[in-house]
Amino acid sequence: DAKTTQPNSMESNEEEPVHLPCNHSTISGTDYIHWYRQLPSQGPEYVIHGLTSNVNNRMASLAIAEDRKSSTLILHRATLRDAAVYYCTKSGAGSYQLTFGKGTKLSVIP
Amino acid sequence: GAVVSQHPSRVICKSGTSVKIECRSLDFQATTMFWYRQFPKQSLMLMATSNEGSKATYEQGVEKDKFLINHASLTLSTLTVTSAHPEDSSFYICSARDIRGDYNEQFFGPGTRLTVL
Repeated sequence: DAKTTQPNSMESNEEEPVHLPCNHSTISGTDYIHWYRQLPSQGPEYVIHGLTSNVNNRMASLAIAEDRKSSTLILHRATLRDAAVYYCTKSGAGSYQLTFGKGTKLSVIP
Repeated sequence: GAVVSQHPSRVICKSGTSVKIECRSLDFQATTMFWYRQFPKQSLMLMATSNEGSKATYEQGVEKDKFLINHASLTLSTLTVTSAHPEDSSFYICSARDIRGDYNEQFFGPGTRLTVL
């Protein structure tokens, strides 16, 4: 199964950090890990990606387990605008297809 | 970031008609574009991979004669739903891969809501 596994939903209080987990136990050595998020009736928005090392950008941080079978998306201070469905996906070198699992619906409580 | 547009944003049509959806990469060239379908409260399902100048590659279970894909230029791919029926009603989303980078980042369009009456 090429899909990833994520919790169906999570809640966070506004301005608190959020850790969104993802399992990708079938990942191969050349697969990238990608995170996208989607608001209702909109296309997915790129959040972050990584291969082996932890990654930071202006939106989030990505922590990748040493065995690469799991990763965690970290939103350092959740805002109401971060409420969305977050998808963890993976793709292999030379194959740019993304396979989306069910994602995690993040609710942010004011 | 790169921008991908889709047109129309929503369309309502009668059963049996054909509908064309356009996907454009506005500020970059995309040799590869992807088409997804998303039903309510479900995840995105990849329908096909579209490569400029060649035939699209369809995922298993997607009828290529029903969902016609044309990728005639590096900035435009079209999806035509032929003889649409109510079960084809869905949210159709395209994405485009930016060839400039060494990373296979995909940029998604805003989606097209198709309703077949």
